[in-house]
Amino acid sequence: DAGVTQSPTHLIKTRGQQVTLRCSPKSGHDTVSWYQQALGQGPQFIFQYYEEEERQRGNFPDRFSGHQFPNYSSELNVNALLLGDSALYLCASSVDRGQAQYFGPGTRLLVL
Amino acid sequence: RKEVEQDPGPFNVPEGATVAFNCTYSNSASQSFFWYRQDCRKEPKLLMSVYSSGNEDGRFTAQLNRASQYISLLIRDSKLSDSATYLCVVTGDSWGKLQFGAGTQVVVTP
Repeated sequence: DAGVTQSPTHLIKTRGQQVTLRCSPKSGHDTVSWYQQALGQGPQFIFQYYEEEERQRGNFPDRFSGHQFPNYSSELNVNALLLGDSALYLCASSVDRGQAQYFGPGTRLLVL
Repeated sequence: RKEVEQDPGPFNVPEGATVAFNCTYSNSASQSFFWYRQDCRKEPKLLMSVYSSGNEDGRFTAQLNRASQYISLLIRDSKLSDSATYLCVVTGDSWGKLQFGAGTQVVVTP
């Protein structure tokens, strides 16, 4: 039973570029959430997708957008990258919206 | 005030000893509570859910105090492999938006 998978594992971009991160949820899970984790901090909630719609959003600007596909996989897009966007981006899935979430290994994004 | 607050530590614990730490949360309407552990440069992994009556999983015991709005984690007979950062996690509503504390670092020494 595959867990949550994310790609790519690492990414280096320059300021102003755009990036797309991908996530496949754990088998049987239909809800995907995205988090940003800066060094030394806990993960910060970006948004959550359920039934292909963004259901909740954290305090992140519109430069952060996402999508969920019919197979429940998801993408996180970040436009006009800033140096401060450098972080570990985590995807988490759950069997239902209020249940415990399981994390993928994350994508480490470095913006130069 | 942060929504979820934790003592960052580190808690330096001799192998075999017991360690306990708390986390406080600000939203009295919070519905679900969890402890996750995170190893250096790895993803958070679910350690245990926290139930109102308190619950135990092997050497780990979690307690919830809704009146005072805190949850606790106790680790008995600490192992070297317990060295990690422990993240307190609270859901703000039924939609499952997880709110994380910044973590408590535990270092178990031989």
